[in-house]
Amino acid sequence: DARVTQTPRHKVTEMGQEVTMRCQPILGHNTVFWYRQTMMQGLELLAYFRNRAPLDDSGMPKDRFSAEMPDATLATLKIQPSEPRDSAVYFCASNAGQYNEQFFGPGTRLTVL
Amino acid sequence: SQQGEEDPQALSIQEGENATMNCSYKTSINNLQWYRQNSGRGLVHLILIRSNEREKHSGRLRVTLDTSKKSSSLLITASRAADTASYFCATAGNYQLIWGAGTKLIIKP
Repeated sequence: DARVTQTPRHKVTEMGQEVTMRCQPILGHNTVFWYRQTMMQGLELLAYFRNRAPLDDSGMPKDRFSAEMPDATLATLKIQPSEPRDSAVYFCASNAGQYNEQFFGPGTRLTVL
Repeated sequence: SQQGEEDPQALSIQEGENATMNCSYKTSINNLQWYRQNSGRGLVHLILIRSNEREKHSGRLRVTLDTSKKSSSLLITASRAADTASYFCATAGNYQLIWGAGTKLIIKP
């Protein structure tokens, strides 16, 4: 039963701390997406990768956020330093084609105090 | 960015009734997809309709697409309590999906 996994599921941290979220896409999927979801803004695309190369990260605040794919089985999203306004649920998704459905992970619920 | 607008924002109906949600978008598309999100969970793909299709069915789901009006509708027939969730439409662009704000559906027992 192939699925996208994300760790941690929940993270509570203090303002100024570094946060790292990890995602394992479905094996064989070559496109990986990072989203952020809040009540106010809804679902926002932060960045996405194709074949491990970043295609678009224009949705991401560059001064504090960074996204990488060290290898085909791991995508990371880092926030440094974190701020209370970063509190949200962060989702990773993957798919295998340009117009195909996306498969979402369970999300990381981040709370920055 | 959000291209789609869903209507209504919230919908509350009795179990057994049909639920209809609408989605409008702005640019030309390759396909349009509907997703469901249960509270606290990730989004789950429901159905994909291509730009050259007008109607598609999957179980109790029926999706229509009118490219001339740039709109789509999702009909859930014979609703159940388990259908309580948020429903999102998304249009497929260049590798990414452009998302609507979602319709929150509540099924009352």
